[in-house]
Amino acid sequence: EVQLVESGGGLVQPGGSLKLSCAASGFTFSGSAIHWVRQASGKGLEWVGRIKSKGDNYATAYAASVKGRFTISRADSNNTAYLQMNSLKTEDTAMYYCSRSTMATNWAYGSWGQGTLVTVSS
Amino acid sequence: EIVLTQSPDTLSLSPGERATLSCRASQRISSSYLAWYQQKPGQAPRLLIYGPSSRATGIPDRFSGSGSGTDFTLTITRLETEDFAVYYCQQYDSPPFTFGPGTKVDIK
Repeated sequence: EVQLVESGGGLVQPGGSLKLSCAASGFTFSGSAIHWVRQASGKGLEWVGRIKSKGDNYATAYAASVKGRFTISRADSNNTAYLQMNSLKTEDTAMYYCSRSTMATNWAYGSWGQGTLVTVSS
Repeated sequence: EIVLTQSPDTLSLSPGERATLSCRASQRISSSYLAWYQQKPGQAPRLLIYGPSSRATGIPDRFSGSGSGTDFTLTITRLETEDFAVYYCQQYDSPPFTFGPGTKVDIK
């Protein structure tokens, strides 16, 4: 069974940092692109960024709202992806989901985790 | 950045009725990289349609997608009670990938 489990969320002060993890199981992690998507309470989905597989040189891309502050990485040996968040702002408060995309769904996000909540507040 | 607009914001229908949801892009996108997701309260999104007319695994055939260029449609032929949810379109043609604001389908 495909599983993605996010962790690392919590309460952090503005200007602080937090690192989220996305632990994967049940599929070939190394062949998948991993994406982070966030959702503020009562709002829509916002794409945060993605990291491709080793075959695509681990290429990353980010939303303008987080570029320069957030970094996505992965450790294929541990089947885990990460989202390092620095210089956090109150507007970064949201549920953060990781998801995977593969050729099987033409790179649409076929599997999602249940999310981890990040609250940025003083 | 490609902006996606969804209409209507809310669709109030009864079970058994047909739902037609629209997604319009601010510029032409490859139809291969347009997807639809369903989200219910307290749950993660779920992939329904990609490419833009292929159903994801386990998605019933009452869901269908169509469109090309800048205009795309998600159709639910006969609404079941479990279909009342929020639906998002997404383009992943070129980053930054973007989602539409969503259409809420609620019970009339």
